Amino acid sequence: QKEVEQDPGPLSVPEGAIVSLNCTYSNSAFQYFMWYRQYSRKGPELLMYTYSSGNKEDGRFTAQVDKSSKYISLFIRDSQPSDSATYLCAMRRVNAGGTSYGKLTFGQGTILTVHP
Amino acid sequence: DVKVTQSSRYLVKRTGEKVFLECVQDMDHENMFWYRQDPGLGLRLIYFSYDVKMKEKGDIPEGYSVSREKKERFSLILESASTNQTSMYLCASSLGGLPLSTDTQYFGPGTRLTVL
Repeated sequence: QKEVEQDPGPLSVPEGAIVSLNCTYSNSAFQYFMWYRQYSRKGPELLMYTYSSGNKEDGRFTAQVDKSSKYISLFIRDSQPSDSATYLCAMRRVNAGGTSYGKLTFGQGTILTVHP
Repeated sequence: DVKVTQSSRYLVKRTGEKVFLECVQDMDHENMFWYRQDPGLGLRLIYFSYDVKMKEKGDIPEGYSVSREKKERFSLILESASTNQTSMYLCASSLGGLPLSTDTQYFGPGTRLTVL
């Protein structure tokens, strides 16, 4: 079983829809959670990060973390065609002593298409 | 802006060839990473380096080696390329140090390698 599971989709929605992207994880050592966005033929870029349970908002994007259920979500409100991309969840564990050299474990990525 | 560049966008090699993938970052980052990205599998860490001449294996190091002779440059080497190494290769760098919560990885555009 993978440490981080993400539904690969693809997901196709009309413009203006609310999009929900989700990841589950099995290792409670994961303490920091990120969402990356990857446009076609580009490298991933950081969209949001959070480290505590609850919600974090940034414009049309909301990241949600539920550590008790080992579940994270990214919500996109009023989705736009420019949001069409692959969305990757990523997690970072903190080893004993606090060192992990910043290694990330990624989900499989969800391909999202927002059509006009 | 952080810039991570990779030597080639597309590369075609033959089975058994020795392949070098180069990555350069211009922000004096301590950490550098090599991932491969495959459909349905997401990003998987091959090797990373937290200092010049220092390296550690990631999750899938078999068939690969790395070199970091200068802080800004991190090379991935396929000693004898095989068809199952056909993939998208992504390089990333991060500042390093603490706090880990804000240590963002910045990615290059990727090199799509095909081994025939």
